[in-house]
Amino acid sequence: SQQGEEDPQALSIQEGENATMNCSYKTSINNLQWYRQNSGRGLVHLILIRSNEREKHSGRLRVTLDTSKKSSSLLITASRAADTASYFCATRADSWGKLQFGAGTQVVVTP
Amino acid sequence: DTGVSQNPRHKITKRGQNVTFRCDPISEHNRLYWYRQTLGQGPEFLTYFQNEAQLEKSRLLSDRFSAERPKGSFSTLEIQRTEQGDSAMYLCASSLPSGYPNTGELFFGEGSRLTVL
Repeated sequence: SQQGEEDPQALSIQEGENATMNCSYKTSINNLQWYRQNSGRGLVHLILIRSNEREKHSGRLRVTLDTSKKSSSLLITASRAADTASYFCATRADSWGKLQFGAGTQVVVTP
Repeated sequence: DTGVSQNPRHKITKRGQNVTFRCDPISEHNRLYWYRQTLGQGPEFLTYFQNEAQLEKSRLLSDRFSAERPKGSFSTLEIQRTEQGDSAMYLCASSLPSGYPNTGELFFGEGSRLTVL
């Protein structure tokens, strides 16, 4: 079974716009990570946020975490066509156990 | 290329046949994970190893599936008596040993796509 659920399932935006996707999870976590997957390829790690953190930035990415609501959001600013991909959140219940992934948000950025 | 390597990339087999996938992790990584992914879904956890020890196996994994990591380096995932429902992408990932400053991010291979006819 999958721990996280992303919302929306699909998102279509134009270059230059911001893309926001949300992740909700069910049980307490140690950390939450976001990954990107281009069609037919493996996943690539984007950013990690620990349970005691509320916000992190990495380049054009901004991640927030609200443990009271068991939710996280990923914001991609000034999107580019190359950001077209599926984005997955993944949670870890303890510091080094397995990662459980959500179903993903498919993002399409049109020029 | 020092990334995670998976072979074969594509496998087409007939129902009832056995298949084996191989994963070569990044050399200094002691953790190795197997996931399964079907179209439009996220990766589903199958099992993971720390060195040669299999630490956890998904309850969803039937006894037709077996994974090994005999010397703590490469790993194999075998599916016996394949069924059409086994058709999926099988993803392998590895990670550094636990402990600061390592963050526990997974490094994924490109996957092995299985089609069962």
